[in-house]
Amino acid sequence: AQSVSQHNHHVILSEAASLELGCNYSYGGTVNLFWYVQYPGQHLQLLLKYFSGDPLVKGIKGFEAEFIKSKFSFNLRKPSVQWSDTAEYFCASYNTNAGKSTFGDGTTLTVKP
Amino acid sequence: DVKVTQSSRYLVKRTGEKVFLECVQDMDHENMFWYRQDPGLGLRLIYFSYDVKMKEKGDIPEGYSVSREKKERFSLILESASTNQTSMYLCASSTPGTASYEQYFGPGTRLTVT
Repeated sequence: AQSVSQHNHHVILSEAASLELGCNYSYGGTVNLFWYVQYPGQHLQLLLKYFSGDPLVKGIKGFEAEFIKSKFSFNLRKPSVQWSDTAEYFCASYNTNAGKSTFGDGTTLTVKP
Repeated sequence: DVKVTQSSRYLVKRTGEKVFLECVQDMDHENMFWYRQDPGLGLRLIYFSYDVKMKEKGDIPEGYSVSREKKERFSLILESASTNQTSMYLCASSTPGTASYEQYFGPGTRLTVT
């Protein structure tokens, strides 16, 4: 079965620190990869996505992620976090054959001002 | 902008009650999904639908059923609510018309079963 694992459940950083959230997926076939973010009290929304082309993808608010096929990884990065980045982050993969997505357990990021 | 709306933000029901959660999307998306979100467990897929009157079981369908009579509306039904169904329920939609299959989520319904 397809699975997505996120390495960190809770990350606490100070403002201006660099961020990297790990994500590994298990499916070896064609897969689309996503990072979603849920700010406190808000809808889950798309941060960035990869489905083909350049493996380094850029999303909103200065986030980026790198797809490394050989490592089955899709880690999320931001060089300098802000207090407003405090949120829960979910990595997800979409299996085009099965027609459904699998989500990781989520990582709660707390940024201290 | 895609808009996915859910009928209630908060709902409190008693054990054994029949519960309906409604979801409506306004972008003519073919695919619709129901998830439940629990702390430390991420999002788990309950049911999804590719088209009107079609439904597919997700990873945790037990205790739930769904209905899709119109393309824009996807309902989740708890036939006999139990306390272990207390959770946040998220509806989402997507379209195969985009290559990426990104999903658009509603605000969620926080259901408490007492």
